[in-house]
Amino acid sequence: KAGVTQTPRYLIKTRGQQVTLSCSPISGHRSVSWYQQTPGQGLQFLFEYFSETQRNKGNFPGRFSGRQFSNSRSEMNVSTLELGDSALYLCASSWTGVGNEQFFGPGTRLTVL
Amino acid sequence: KNEVEQSPQNLTAQEGEFITINCSYSVGISALHWLQQHPGGGIVSLFMLSSGKKKHGRLIATINIQEKHSSLHITASHPRDSAVYICAVHKDQGAQKLVFGQGTRLTINP
Repeated sequence: KAGVTQTPRYLIKTRGQQVTLSCSPISGHRSVSWYQQTPGQGLQFLFEYFSETQRNKGNFPGRFSGRQFSNSRSEMNVSTLELGDSALYLCASSWTGVGNEQFFGPGTRLTVL
Repeated sequence: KNEVEQSPQNLTAQEGEFITINCSYSVGISALHWLQQHPGGGIVSLFMLSSGKKKHGRLIATINIQEKHSSLHITASHPRDSAVYICAVHKDQGAQKLVFGQGTRLTINP
C-alpha cells in the first residue's frame, strides 16, 4: 500500500507570492490533517479535512487555507507569503480522524526569501 | 504553560542503555500518540494509546490517565534510535486536532 505523498518536497518562494502544497493520503483514508513545523514553535495544527469538509482549523491567519477533493487528496494554499511562513509543512492521513493512527507524509520544506 | 510537556528536552546515552522519555498533559484526552522524527523531517507513528501499555519490539509505551502522564521506554538502545520523539494528544472535547509536545531529542552514541 502506498504511503502518504506530498508534492513538492522543496519550494523556494519570495515574500508576497502564494503557494499551493498537495497531499495524497493512503488509499481509503478520508481524514487529512495539515501541520506546520518550525524550530521556534514546533509542530502546530493547521486544519483537518474529512470527506471534503473542514472540521477544525488551527490558530493561523486567513492567508492559510485548504481544501479536500472527492478522492480525499488535499491541498493547502498560503497567500501573500511572509518570511515567517518558512517551515516544514506536513500532512497526515487516517481512516476517520486523529483518534486513529496517523500516517505522515515526508513534508514540503518551504523557504520564503 | 503548554498543554503537553515533555522531559527531558535533550537526552544523550550510550548504546545499550535503557531510555525513558516522559510526557505530561494538563487536559482531558481521548488518545495519546508517540511519534518519531528522524533528521530530514519524516515522522513515523510509534504508538497510539488511550489506556494501559503497548509494546513493539524494543519500544514500550505506557499511559496513566489519572495522573495525566505517559512514558516511552526504549530497551537496549541503538544509535539508529537517535531521533526526535514527540508526544501528541487528542483532546477529549472531540476537536479533530492534535496538540504536540516540544519533542525530546535523543542521541545514542556507539
